[in-house]
Amino acid sequence: DTGVSQNPRHKITKRGQNVTFRCDPISEHNRLYWYRQTLGQGPEFLTYFQNEAQLEKSRLLSDRFSAERPKGSFSTLEIQRTEQGDSAMYLCASSGGQGFYEQYFGPGTRLTVT
Amino acid sequence: GQQLNQSPQSMFIQEGEDVSMNCTSSSIFNTWLWYKQDPGEGPVLLIALYKAGELTSNGRLTAQFGITRKDSFLNISASIPSDVGIYFCAGPPVDPDSGAGSYQLTFGKGTKLSVIP
Repeated sequence: DTGVSQNPRHKITKRGQNVTFRCDPISEHNRLYWYRQTLGQGPEFLTYFQNEAQLEKSRLLSDRFSAERPKGSFSTLEIQRTEQGDSAMYLCASSGGQGFYEQYFGPGTRLTVT
Repeated sequence: GQQLNQSPQSMFIQEGEDVSMNCTSSSIFNTWLWYKQDPGEGPVLLIALYKAGELTSNGRLTAQFGITRKDSFLNISASIPSDVGIYFCAGPPVDPDSGAGSYQLTFGKGTKLSVIP
């Protein structure tokens, strides 16, 4: 049973550039979540998919952020016109079955905006 | 929004000692989750609690769902060096009107554990 995978693990980009991250959830999980974590804080919810439908979005998800899950499998998170304040760890999690509140996290993508 | 307060913020203990940490909220939760995070990695789920008063163990870890539904506790017995990390409590917020839970998790700020060999 493979866990949640995320790519890339690290991304350094210049301010104003666009970046895209990918998340592959646990194969039998139909729910997928994105969180952002800054230093010294717990993860903060960004958005949630059930299958391919995006059902919840946080106010943290500004219009520069967009997430997709086109076939209900992997998901991408894109940040346009990156700002230094976007520097953070972006975490993906998935859940499914009877333990629907039990979310399993990937290793994260560390974004640094210079 | 709902906030989870974890204490202590950090702790240094000798290897072999037992550890206790807690998590409190001003509003009720129907589910409590405990995670451990190592530097540069994602959080790893340790224990899930679903019922007030529930006591659940996972090896040397024991967690309890407080009877008021506003707190939870995590104990680690006989600590070892690999217990080092940050421990987070988390839970899905409950809508005060409908009582329904959300799928988004609210996390505390974590308890950083250091183990002295």
